[in-house]
Amino acid sequence: DAGVIQSPRHEVTEMGQEVTLRCKPISGHNSLFWYRQTMMRGLELLIYFNNNVPIDDSGMPEDRFSAKMPNASFSTLKIQPSEPRDSAVYFCASSLGVIGETQYFGPGTRLLVL
Amino acid sequence: GENVEQHPSTLSVQEGDSAVIKCTYSDSASNYFPWYKQELGKGPQLIIDIRSNVGEKKDQRIAVTLNKTAKHFSLHITETQPEDSAVYFCAASINDYKLSFGAGTTVTVRA
Repeated sequence: DAGVIQSPRHEVTEMGQEVTLRCKPISGHNSLFWYRQTMMRGLELLIYFNNNVPIDDSGMPEDRFSAKMPNASFSTLKIQPSEPRDSAVYFCASSLGVIGETQYFGPGTRLLVL
Repeated sequence: GENVEQHPSTLSVQEGDSAVIKCTYSDSASNYFPWYKQELGKGPQLIIDIRSNVGEKKDQRIAVTLNKTAKHFSLHITETQPEDSAVYFCAASINDYKLSFGAGTTVTVRA
């Protein structure tokens, strides 16, 4: 199994630009999570999908952030417009289900907004 | 919401010695407690987890203990090896999917 796949692995952009992060969950997994990791705030859950439907987006910091999951094998996290404080490592994770299922994390996308 | 505190923030041990990381949580309704290991440049990986109906769980050199009354849980690594060097995160969850993570412990195993 290839595991959770994220792209790009690194992204450098200028303030105000649109950023799109991509994730391919493990085949057969029906739950998908987007996390953000920073030194100041640690690991934070941004949004959780189950069967392609957003269930909990209470962690999305503001309207500049949006996430979609058009099908079971693809999700995007978009930041528009980006700001320097969005610089972080963004992780995607997937699991078979919800109750008691291990969340498998991808390698992350390291985002730097100048 | 759930607040998880983790100590120590850094831990240096001699190869072969044991390492212990402690976490406390605030919400008594939390019932799932996973531990993740994160190596440099990689995503966190689950190493062990425990549920509130169990007091202790062991997997080879790794063990986790849970004290529900005191609302704290600990990770124990015995016979540490250089490959155990990483950042370790504890987490707690009420509903299984929403994990509240501790701040992490950087473990360095000295050869």
